[in-house]
Amino acid sequence: EAGVTQFPSHSVIEKGQTVTLRCDPISGHDNLYWYRRVMGKEIKFLLHFVKESKQDESGMPNNRFLAERTGGTYSTLKVQPAELEDSGVYFCASSRGAGTTMNTEAFFGQGTRLTVV
Amino acid sequence: KNEVEQSPQNLTAQEGEFITINCSYSVGISALHWLQQHPGGGIVSLFMLSSGKKKHGRLIATINIQEKHSSLHITASHPRDSAVYICAVEDYGGSQGNLIFGKGTKLSVKP
Repeated sequence: EAGVTQFPSHSVIEKGQTVTLRCDPISGHDNLYWYRRVMGKEIKFLLHFVKESKQDESGMPNNRFLAERTGGTYSTLKVQPAELEDSGVYFCASSRGAGTTMNTEAFFGQGTRLTVV
Repeated sequence: KNEVEQSPQNLTAQEGEFITINCSYSVGISALHWLQQHPGGGIVSLFMLSSGKKKHGRLIATINIQEKHSSLHITASHPRDSAVYICAVEDYGGSQGNLIFGKGTKLSVKP
């Protein structure tokens, strides 16, 4: 079974440009999460999808960040326009269940390192 | 590549008990994170530490760099502590995301 995959692995862009990160969850996992780790700081939750719906987007920092999960499969996280403080590592995780259901174990992707210069 | 092992995988405790969750890793690290995944699914960061010990409320995290081991302790456990606890480590000069995640420990605290 393939794990959670993220693309690209590393992106360097200039301030003001647009970048789109992609996450492919494990097949059959309805729940998809995005997290961000700014260098030297703790990991922060961004948002949670259940299938194609945004269950919780309370962690999205501002309206320059847009996440989508059309069709309930892969998800994209777009940053437009990127700012210097957006640099960090963006992680994606997926799980089959959530809440009180079984199979809530989260599987993490390898992350995308975003550098805004 | 660093390998992260957590134990136990599942843990059931009675309210009020002292709980310990362990995390060991195979290669030297620059930092270790303890995360908590609540039944709702979202994950929050509990601690980030590179040496010694940190305390926040009833939670205590310790790390022994020489032994490549960290523990998360919960004192006076409560049913609301029921969650999955995940350990993640950062490799030195690591590549990619630098973070390698353990499989998590599922804790259930009974009233």
